[in-house]
Amino acid sequence: EPEVTQTPSHQVTQMGQEVILRCVPISNHLYFYWYRQILGQKVEFLVSFYNNEISEKSEIFDDQFSVERPDGSNFTLKIRSTKLEDSAMYFCASIRGDEAFFGQGTRLTVV
Amino acid sequence: AQTVTQSQPEMSVQEAETVTLSCTYDTSESNYYLFWYKQPPSRQMILVIRQEAYKQQNATENRFSVNFQKAAKSFSLKISDSQLGDTAMYFCAFMKRNTGGFKTIFGAGTRLFVKA
Repeated sequence: EPEVTQTPSHQVTQMGQEVILRCVPISNHLYFYWYRQILGQKVEFLVSFYNNEISEKSEIFDDQFSVERPDGSNFTLKIRSTKLEDSAMYFCASIRGDEAFFGQGTRLTVV
Repeated sequence: AQTVTQSQPEMSVQEAETVTLSCTYDTSESNYYLFWYKQPPSRQMILVIRQEAYKQQNATENRFSVNFQKAAKSFSLKISDSQLGDTAMYFCAFMKRNTGGFKTIFGAGTRLFVKA
């Protein structure tokens, strides 16, 4: 069964450093998303991406965040200058039709 | 704006018993989708069951079933014959199509403990 793949599974970074979280969506899916889940809290929408551009973003998705699909397969989330409060689980999802398929998540720890 | 409310932060159930997790949502849309996701300690998001709003019949998936009340905007999950492996966080989610594609909004979650 096709699945959404995220790498790395866990990343530790120092505050102020840039991180790139990677996702490989299911190949024939058209819509891509990033979600964030701070430990013990709900899953929050960050951004949606369609036709090679951002289609919607939340208030969380400020100038420190960016997304791109550089090569038609990978879908990346970049955080330019990480803060302690960016520590969370980040989920990538892709959708075709009416079901969202989630990756296994990347646990980001900012120290 | 759509909201999803799960009023039970934590629940527990004895193994082999039945438990119902509640979820209500608020929307002015008529076409949308509802989901229950399971998040075990690994923190992976696993789809448990889905319901299309235009379908009156309640979805079922083995031991999992929903009670979808569209007029009341209620979407509860019933787990029958609970198993220890059902211990997890359960999130109710609402998804609708908008101009940018689909957007999923999650409830705050219900932590379920299944006791031996």
